[in-house]
Amino acid sequence: TQLLEQSPQFLSIQEGENLTVYCNSSSVFSSLQWYRQEPGEGPVLLVTVVTGGEVKKLKRLTFQFGDARKDSSLHITAAQPGDTGLYLCAGARGDFGNEKLTFGTGTRLTIIP
Amino acid sequence: GAGVSQSPSNKVTEKGKDVELRCDPISGHTALYWYRQSLGQGLEFLIYFQGNSAPDKSGLPSDRFSAERTGGSVSTLTIQRTQQEDSAVYLCASSLAPGRGSEKLFFGSGTQLSVL
Repeated sequence: TQLLEQSPQFLSIQEGENLTVYCNSSSVFSSLQWYRQEPGEGPVLLVTVVTGGEVKKLKRLTFQFGDARKDSSLHITAAQPGDTGLYLCAGARGDFGNEKLTFGTGTRLTIIP
Repeated sequence: GAGVSQSPSNKVTEKGKDVELRCDPISGHTALYWYRQSLGQGLEFLIYFQGNSAPDKSGLPSDRFSAERTGGSVSTLTIQRTQQEDSAVYLCASSLAPGRGSEKLFFGSGTQLSVL
């Protein structure tokens, strides 16, 4: 059973456009992390959100945790070719955060120059 | 080392053979994790170590899979009698300590396993 669904699975847009990817679940998570993974490499952590309704910004990336802590979104403003990659959300449950992160299915983003 | 190191980076084996995958975590990181990633997909949790102990082995797909960690550092994931469905990228990650979701995981580049 896949607990975290990401949408869209694939997204290809022109440089300079804005985009939003979503991470949805019917389960409540104590925290949620977003990673970016490039070919041949492991995922790299971008951000962790902990509080329902929390918004975090990382340059042109804005991350939001849903009020009920069941979903999250990642918005990218003025996308750049360097944003290309596989974006993964990962939810932690319970008091112990990282032991068994549940990863989403991923969104493969391609930014066309 | 500067980061999580995994070896080999690529492994091609024949069905039925045993394989060993190695992970060298960041020095001082007490927590170590193994994940499996099928082509272009999300990560599937396999096992987690705190020190040399594995409190959670629930993700291991079958009894052909085992893992150990010695000296609170290097870990080895062993797959016996490999099957074609074992083909995937095996990723290792480490962190300072298991936390409340705020601890940062550092991933290695993975081992691409291909079972022919």
